[in-house]
Amino acid sequence: DAKTTQPTSMDCAEGRAANLPCNHSTISGNEYVYWYRQIHSQGPQYIIHGLKNNETNEMASLIITEDRKSSTLILPHATLRDTAVYYCIVRVEGDSWGKLQFGAGTQVVVTP
Amino acid sequence: DAGVIQSPRHEVTEMGQEVTLRCKPISGHDYLFWYRQTMMRGLELLIYFNNNVPIDDSGMPEDRFSAKMPNASFSTLKIQPSEPRDSAVYFCASSLARSQPQHFGDGTRLSIL
Repeated sequence: DAKTTQPTSMDCAEGRAANLPCNHSTISGNEYVYWYRQIHSQGPQYIIHGLKNNETNEMASLIITEDRKSSTLILPHATLRDTAVYYCIVRVEGDSWGKLQFGAGTQVVVTP
Repeated sequence: DAGVIQSPRHEVTEMGQEVTLRCKPISGHDYLFWYRQTMMRGLELLIYFNNNVPIDDSGMPEDRFSAKMPNASFSTLKIQPSEPRDSAVYFCASSLARSQPQHFGDGTRLSIL
């Protein structure tokens, strides 16, 4: 599975959009981009995933560049409860299903 | 909906003792995963099951670790004998299918003295 690069930390003001970048320049054509987050003392929580097209759900939006070498997770209106470590993961789906490999992630702190 | 349930939430025991961690996956999920999280190594996959059958245990650190899934609603991770370096947070996760997102429990914080 391709490796990902994320900033170590980010601050965001409450109520503003949080844009979390992820670089995955060696991603393969059959690898999906997944985002999870981990709030302190809790297990990781699935946020969103996608292959090529931009995706949106009730939690966030995922924007994947046309060359798929990078992506951005957007939390449209950050709240204090969004303070967490955010993990960007790429993995293969289908017959060659790959494991979720968590890196160091981005520590996001939402401030009042 | 009930999520993945793990017990106990915290466990403190002395070196050499047997430790058993328990997990109840989400009903209907065919895949169950055991992870370990430490500051040094991050989140690591230990083993996963499909329809109660262990598929890949390559992440299990050594023979002191064993995992079972006697039925679709229960799994255990056992450490015998335990050592201080086993201290970590152990997570269980389940998914509907292998390509579906994994849902995690809140973990068991294990301290071996």
